[in-house]
Amino acid sequence: AQSVAQPEDQVNVAEGNPLTVKCTYSVSGNPYLFWYVQYPNRGLQFLLKYITGDNLVKGSYGFEAEFNKSQTSFHLKKPSALVSDSALYFCAVRKYNFNKFYFGSGTKLNVKP
Amino acid sequence: EAQVTQNPRYLITVTGKKLTVTCSQNMNHEYMSWYRQDPGLGLRQIYYSMNVEVTDKGDVPEGYKVSRKEKRNFPLILESPSPNQTSLYFCASNGADTQYFGPGTRLTVL
Repeated sequence: AQSVAQPEDQVNVAEGNPLTVKCTYSVSGNPYLFWYVQYPNRGLQFLLKYITGDNLVKGSYGFEAEFNKSQTSFHLKKPSALVSDSALYFCAVRKYNFNKFYFGSGTKLNVKP
Repeated sequence: EAQVTQNPRYLITVTGKKLTVTCSQNMNHEYMSWYRQDPGLGLRQIYYSMNVEVTDKGDVPEGYKVSRKEKRNFPLILESPSPNQTSLYFCASNGADTQYFGPGTRLTVL
């Protein structure tokens, strides 16, 4: 069965410090990997994706993610967190040539001033 | 502007009273989905549609219906809502690489 795991319900970090939000997946074949962010009372916004190529992917708002095939992980990172980064983050995976997305349970990021 | 719209944004109703949540996209996408979001469970797919008149069940279809008579519209129908359908609902449509989400509909069934 296909699945996506976000092992941390919540991540707390001080403003200016680096942040990591973890994601691991279990999907056969070559997956497409995504990160979305959800601000309160808003829909999900696309942050970045990995399709192929360089394992380090850069996205919106200074976020990046590293694809690690051997560990089946796709962790979201940012070198210096902002209070405005506080939101709910979802990792998602899609099988190559399929339209269905599988979502993790979400990680709430709290950035304290 | 490329967008997915949903209506209503907020809805409070009572058990058994039929309701429809509309969804429309202006990107000419073929694949559309409905999700529900519940705390700790992430997004779960309710139904999806691969094109006009082609729909299929997702992971949690019980109690829901959909239709796809036109490419741009994909309404979600609750024939007899129950309290366990209280949730946040999102419509989405697939582009070449990613999904575009509507703003969400917060449904409360009393």
